[in-house]
Amino acid sequence: DVQLTQSPSSVSASVGDRVTITCRASQDINNWLAWYQQKPGKAPNLLIYAASSLQSGVPSRFSGSGSGTHFTLTISGLQPEDFATYFCQQANSFPFTFGGGTKVEIK
Amino acid sequence: QVQLQESGPGLVKPSETLSLTCTVSGDSVSSGSYFWSWIRQPPGKGLEWIGYMNYNGNTKYNPSLKSRVTTSVDTSKNQFSLKLTSVTAADTAVYYCAKVHSSSWVLAHWGQGTLVTVSS
Repeated sequence: DVQLTQSPSSVSASVGDRVTITCRASQDINNWLAWYQQKPGKAPNLLIYAASSLQSGVPSRFSGSGSGTHFTLTISGLQPEDFATYFCQQANSFPFTFGGGTKVEIK
Repeated sequence: QVQLQESGPGLVKPSETLSLTCTVSGDSVSSGSYFWSWIRQPPGKGLEWIGYMNYNGNTKYNPSLKSRVTTSVDTSKNQFSLKLTSVTAADTAVYYCAKVHSSSWVLAHWGQGTLVTVSS
C-alpha cells in the first residue's frame, strides 16, 4: 500500500495567516493526489484533486501543488471557517489511502 | 445535487455481521461514469477506504478487509450496500458512503456518516 505521511500533525495559526501542509508519499503517485477538509462531526469535503485542481465551489485561497512523492496544500489568508482537519488521499493505486491528518487550530 | 444517506444498526455484537445501506438521491447508481464507495473512520482516527463498486458488478475491496466484505447495488431502489462479517471492536467506526469520480478517483460527494459500535 502507498503510505502517506502528513506534516505537521497540528498547527496553530491566526486569521489571515498563510498555512502550508505537506503530504509525502512512500512511492511515486504522479499527480494522483486529493485534499479534503473535515470539520468535527461532519464528512470530509473535497478541496483539491489531481494535486492542483480546485474543486468547484472551493475558495481560491486554497491551492495545491506537487507531483511524484511531495505535495503541499496552502491556505492563503486563513479564515475562521478554515479551522478544521485536513487529509490527503492518493488515487494512484488501490487500496486508495489517506494521510493521518493535519489539525489547523486557532492560535 | 446528489445526496447520499447511510442507514443501518448503530450497534452490532462481536462476531456478527455489520450491514449498512446507502440511499442515493439526485443521481442514479446506474450511471456508468461513477463508482460507489464505502469509507470508514474509527473515532478520533484517520480514514480507511473499504472498497468501491458500480452498477454492473465491478468491485474492488481493500485487501485488509477483502475476506470479510461484500457489497451490492440495488438499481430499483437506487441504493448500494455493505456487509462486513465477523466484526470485532476494531470495526467500530463512522461509516461513510460516497460517490467516486472514475476519472480522478476522488470522493466529491459523501453521506453524513453513521457510527457503528461493535459491543456485546
